[in-house]
Amino acid sequence: GQNIDQPTEMTATEGAIVQINCTYQTSGFNGLFWYQQHAGEAPTFLSYNVLDGLEEKGRFSSFLSRSKGYSYLLLKELQMKDSASYLCAGLMNTGFQKLVFGTGTRLLVSP
Amino acid sequence: DTEVTQTPKHLVMGMTNKKSLKCEQHMGHRAMYWYKQKAKKPPELMFVYSYEKLSINESVPSRFSPECPNSSLLNLHLHALQPEDSALYLCASSQVPQGTVEAFFGQGTRLTVV
Repeated sequence: GQNIDQPTEMTATEGAIVQINCTYQTSGFNGLFWYQQHAGEAPTFLSYNVLDGLEEKGRFSSFLSRSKGYSYLLLKELQMKDSASYLCAGLMNTGFQKLVFGTGTRLLVSP
Repeated sequence: DTEVTQTPKHLVMGMTNKKSLKCEQHMGHRAMYWYKQKAKKPPELMFVYSYEKLSINESVPSRFSPECPNSSLLNLHLHALQPEDSALYLCASSQVPQGTVEAFFGQGTRLTVV
């Protein structure tokens, strides 16, 4: 299977730090993407991890552990505009590479 | 230009209608995708075109018919849809068939079948 699981919803306060977790089944796994999607809009690319470790990009960082089938997205200095859904997506090789999205996490940032 | 443009933005159609969704990109990407997204759910892959050829059909019903006239355009022809087909249809493209490069998504077409 290709189950990719995330918490359904999270809430946090402006200025805080939040970590959104993602677990996946490792069979056929080739890498992991994080996308942000505001309501009614297209998903936009945030990060890509293929090797173990932390990738930092401004206020956003993403971590991957291939052996554990685990990733997280870390958002620092939260802003109201960060309220959105965050989708982790596994690059899976099942004879042909394809992007399989996780269940998505709706993040609500409050003042 | 890093845009994927989809038209129309909204579409309401009856179950006996025939309509088409259109997607266009001018980034020179050779892979294009159709995804379906229901409310509060993640996008689900429908079709993948690689170098203008259909590479993946995720067991999508034949009432959805994709077409890739050239490397910049991707269409999705709709016929005899059901109300449960109402969803946001997202087009995406990437430089090569999904690999270690990001996919760019269009804004989507919100389809309502009545």
